Amino acid sequence: NAGVTQTPKFRILKIGQSMTLQCTQDMNHNYMYWYRQDPGMGLKLIYYSVGAGITDKGEVPNGYNVSRSTTEDFPLRLELAAPSQTSVYFCASSYSFRDSEAFFGQGTRLTVV
Amino acid sequence: KNEVEQSPQNLTAQEGEFITINCSYSVGISALHWLQQHPGGGIVSLFMLSSGKKKHGRLIATINIQEKHSSLHITASHPRDSAVYICAVHSGGGADGLTFGKGTHLIIQP
Repeated sequence: NAGVTQTPKFRILKIGQSMTLQCTQDMNHNYMYWYRQDPGMGLKLIYYSVGAGITDKGEVPNGYNVSRSTTEDFPLRLELAAPSQTSVYFCASSYSFRDSEAFFGQGTRLTVV
Repeated sequence: KNEVEQSPQNLTAQEGEFITINCSYSVGISALHWLQQHPGGGIVSLFMLSSGKKKHGRLIATINIQEKHSSLHITASHPRDSAVYICAVHSGGGADGLTFGKGTHLIIQP
């Protein structure tokens, strides 16, 4: 099993550009999450999904959108990139929303210039 | 909202030393996770626990629910243990993910 796969690993965007961070998991997990990690801070939840067709906002959703058309895929879309979105992004999945091990992708390091 | 505090923020030790990293949280939880993040790398789950103690190789995690505190211990530390160790909790209220501490940056010198 590949686990959670994120692409790309690195990306530089210009202000105002858009991009999609891809996340796919092969463990048939219903619960998927997008987090961002800023220097010196704990990871913060951007969006989450409890199953195909269902998404909800986390703590820091502004400037992002998500979709969940299949159980496997949970892409994160950045529209009109801003320097404040410079961060490391992690996708994660779990079998259950509580009392269940979390599996993380390798991360995407995004710089907006 | 749960607040998760880790200490110390940074720790440098010599190879072979016994390491302890602490985590405190403010609100009752359903589970606590210890995660490991190597420089430039992804995040790996080490432990998930809701009570008592778990051991995996040289790593031991304990939790005291009444005191809202958990510790991660590393015995016979090795330079390959150098990483950021992150504590995260699930408060049990819903499906909205984990609340994370800021991490403890551990360096083990040979």
